[in-house]
Amino acid sequence: GAVVSQHPSRVICKSGTSVKIECRSLDFQATTMFWYRQFPKQSLMLMATSNEGSKATYEQGVEKDKFLINHASLTLSTLTVTSAHPEDSSFYICSPQPQSYGYTFGSGTRLTVV
Amino acid sequence: GQSLEQPSEVTAVEGAIVQINCTYQTSGFYGLSWYQQHDGGAPTFLSYNALDGLEETGRFSSFLSRSDSYGYLLLQELQMKDSASYFCAVRDLDYKLSFGAGTTVTVRA
Repeated sequence: GAVVSQHPSRVICKSGTSVKIECRSLDFQATTMFWYRQFPKQSLMLMATSNEGSKATYEQGVEKDKFLINHASLTLSTLTVTSAHPEDSSFYICSPQPQSYGYTFGSGTRLTVV
Repeated sequence: GQSLEQPSEVTAVEGAIVQINCTYQTSGFYGLSWYQQHDGGAPTFLSYNALDGLEETGRFSSFLSRSDSYGYLLLQELQMKDSASYFCAVRDLDYKLSFGAGTTVTVRA
């Protein structure tokens, strides 16, 4: 499967600050990247879909001005959590659209907002 | 929309066989897949079914019945390292995945 590198793996930030999460595809060109959020003991919930060179599409209930997604190249997609608050503390995971049927995932970013 | 149901917890002993069922309701079906996630880690792909029947991958097998909107993951010869959460997921036309709530499998010695 595709190899995806996600950074940082953990981040602690203060309320009101912004955090950028990067997801790089290492061995293929990812035209589409999915971003998920997972709260403790819960399932993965799709937040948004980023497409290289165009605007991201957001799932219902996800604030596009709070979760900024950029997919400027075929190998890099970023998610910026702006004005983070404690309720944004979660596990964020990226996943490129697969070339076959097996999805791969970044290693995830555990965000803690204090 | 999509909705999936799977049991929340399963406990078994080493060497046993565990079956995790998944029923789904979808507006469009493009395959059922299974993922394993250890605590603190990212999900990893286990198996995929697009057509009815059984897919075998080592100790793990997955089954699909599209007419019943049902599938299962079979874990054989359970090992301690199989203790993890297991998610079923369906894919839609746009390649988006919708996940079940997850099944926590606990393997006891």
